[in-house]
Amino acid sequence: AQSVTQLGSHVSVSEGALVLLRCNYSSSVPPYLFWYVQYPNQGLQLLLKYTTGATLVKGINGFEAEFKKSETSFHLTKPSAHMSDAAEYFCAVSVQFSGGYNKLIFGAGTRLAVHP
Amino acid sequence: EPEVTQTPSHQVTQMGQEVILRCVPISNHLYFYWYRQILGQKVEFLVSFYNNEISEKSEIFDDQFSVERPDGSNFTLKIRSTKLEDSAMYFCASSDSQGSDEQFFGPGTRLTVL
Repeated sequence: AQSVTQLGSHVSVSEGALVLLRCNYSSSVPPYLFWYVQYPNQGLQLLLKYTTGATLVKGINGFEAEFKKSETSFHLTKPSAHMSDAAEYFCAVSVQFSGGYNKLIFGAGTRLAVHP
Repeated sequence: EPEVTQTPSHQVTQMGQEVILRCVPISNHLYFYWYRQILGQKVEFLVSFYNNEISEKSEIFDDQFSVERPDGSNFTLKIRSTKLEDSAMYFCASSDSQGSDEQFFGPGTRLTVL
């Protein structure tokens, strides 16, 4: 069965520092992987996704993630944190049903704090 | 830019009461979903809906839950007799195709059961 593990429920970085949010997945089939961001009192916004092709994917707001099949990882990075990046970040894997429909399996989330 | 909308943003109800959470998916989308997030926990899949029927549901989605697309634009989640443990943020999502494409999420409805 597919699952997602996010290491670190809370990450704190200084403004301008590297952001690294870790995500490992378990999937019996080639996965579709997603990172979503949730700002306070808002819904989930897609940051980036990996389906097929290039393993390094770039998303909005300067974020990128690299799919590493050998490590079953899809870590999210940003070279330089900004105060506005403070939010909760969710990694998710898409699970396909026999009928072709899919659902998202989410990790527990990582709350990113950015301090001056 | 098209977006998924949800009403109300916050619903407070008494245990045992029925609630209906409403969603308006993006207009050309065909696949609809409900997820929930209990405070401090992960986002969990509840149900997916396509072609006016449930395509998949989780073990959470028991007989107390139902979904409906009553008028071609709204997509509703009904909880027949709410329990304290139904208190959560409920997210509606939609997508225009199955598989790899992203699901677009609404801002959520926070349900509080007293």
